[in-house]
Amino acid sequence: GEEVAQTPKHLVRGEGQKAKLYCAPIKGHSYVFWYQQVLKNEFKFLISFQNENVFDETGMPKERFSAKCLPNSPCSLEIQATKLEDSAVYFCASSQPGTASVNTGELFFGEGSRLTVL
Amino acid sequence: RKEVEQDPGPFNVPEGATVAFNCTYSNSASQSFFWYRQDCRKEPKLLMSVYSSGNEDGRFTAQLNRASQYISLLIRDSKLSDSATYLCVVGGAAGNKLTFGGGTRVLVKP
Repeated sequence: GEEVAQTPKHLVRGEGQKAKLYCAPIKGHSYVFWYQQVLKNEFKFLISFQNENVFDETGMPKERFSAKCLPNSPCSLEIQATKLEDSAVYFCASSQPGTASVNTGELFFGEGSRLTVL
Repeated sequence: RKEVEQDPGPFNVPEGATVAFNCTYSNSASQSFFWYRQDCRKEPKLLMSVYSSGNEDGRFTAQLNRASQYISLLIRDSKLSDSATYLCVVGGAAGNKLTFGGGTRVLVKP
């Protein structure tokens, strides 16, 4: 598609429940990123993929968070045993690979998935 | 210290006025610089890339100072529709993560 599509738009979970979010990147984009935005506009990088391979996972809280980008499937971000502090908007973004001489680096964002943990 | 720092504002700007604000970044190896705009907790959208020589896009002018590691954005002839949060974004090489500042909120008032 021509837009990054994220589902669901809203998700409510009780503390300790599992949450799973999905993202379909723009067709032809090789990189997929997940960001978490909590209050006061702080964007936290979680993980990125180059095609189906993890590219950078330095931001992932590994004990409860996992993510995948499998061929011919939307990418997913899963949170096991959600906590109150996981309440946030989770943005997925995709980007094109740079050419040898130019890298715009522009990220195209989905509309986000708002997770509320009660 | 945060990797990318911005004054959160808000900057209250009369319609038609000029407003300017900066951000600073800590990683001297950063290679790409952007201003994104975010409206009311919607998804961020690219406003403009920032080039070493400085660049202008209509009423918006961006500057990069690598020596002092700061980026600026200037908005001339502010419109009501310019009210938004402006995110300073810094990145490395192709595919590398982009690091976001906390955003500067701008409110343009009649």
